Amino acid sequence: EAGVAQSPRYKIIEKRQSVAFWCNPISGHATLYWYQQILGQGPKLLIQFQNNGVVDDSQLPKDRFSAERLKGVDSTLKIQPAKLEDSAVYLCASSFWGGSQETQYFGPGTRLLVL
Amino acid sequence: AQKVTQAQTEISVVEKEDVTLDCVYETRDTTYYLFWYKQPPSGELVFLIRRNSFDEQNEISGRYSWNFQKSTSSFNFTITASQVVDSAVYFCALSEASGTYKYIFGTGTRLKVLA
Repeated sequence: EAGVAQSPRYKIIEKRQSVAFWCNPISGHATLYWYQQILGQGPKLLIQFQNNGVVDDSQLPKDRFSAERLKGVDSTLKIQPAKLEDSAVYLCASSFWGGSQETQYFGPGTRLLVL
Repeated sequence: AQKVTQAQTEISVVEKEDVTLDCVYETRDTTYYLFWYKQPPSGELVFLIRRNSFDEQNEISGRYSWNFQKSTSSFNFTITASQVVDSAVYFCALSEASGTYKYIFGTGTRLKVLA
């Protein structure tokens, strides 16, 4: 079974530029998550989708971050404009949404460096 | 409020030594889930184990074992006879059943196994 796919793996941009990340979840997984992991910290949830609807975006900086999940499968996360503090690894995860069977499976992440 | 504490920032052991990674959690829910993930240098979070709050049975999987104690709100992870390939950052996470199954991660423990 294929895992969670993410691209690109690495991205270097200058501050005030825009950037987009792509995620393809495990087939059949209804729930998709985007996390931000700053160096030396644990992942922090940015947004959670259930199919193509948003379940939780309470920690998404909405003035610069946006995300969508059209058709309930692939998702994109965008930052516009980027700031230096956005340098981090952006992880995508997916899960089946099965109550007690809920386990999130993570992709390899996108390492973003903002100069 | 949910909280996960991993007080050990970094641990170094010599190969074949046993090592225990500590995890203490806080939650008001009576039903919750605890997880351990491994993050090797490649960056991907690898799922290791899920434990439900109503199941306090300890678990062993090869060289890995987990000790769940509700009385002390702890979910510790022991690696027996450590190997160099065990070197990674290990994260403990908590998810509450009453919410959206959002994960709250600890700050991680970096394990270095020296040959």
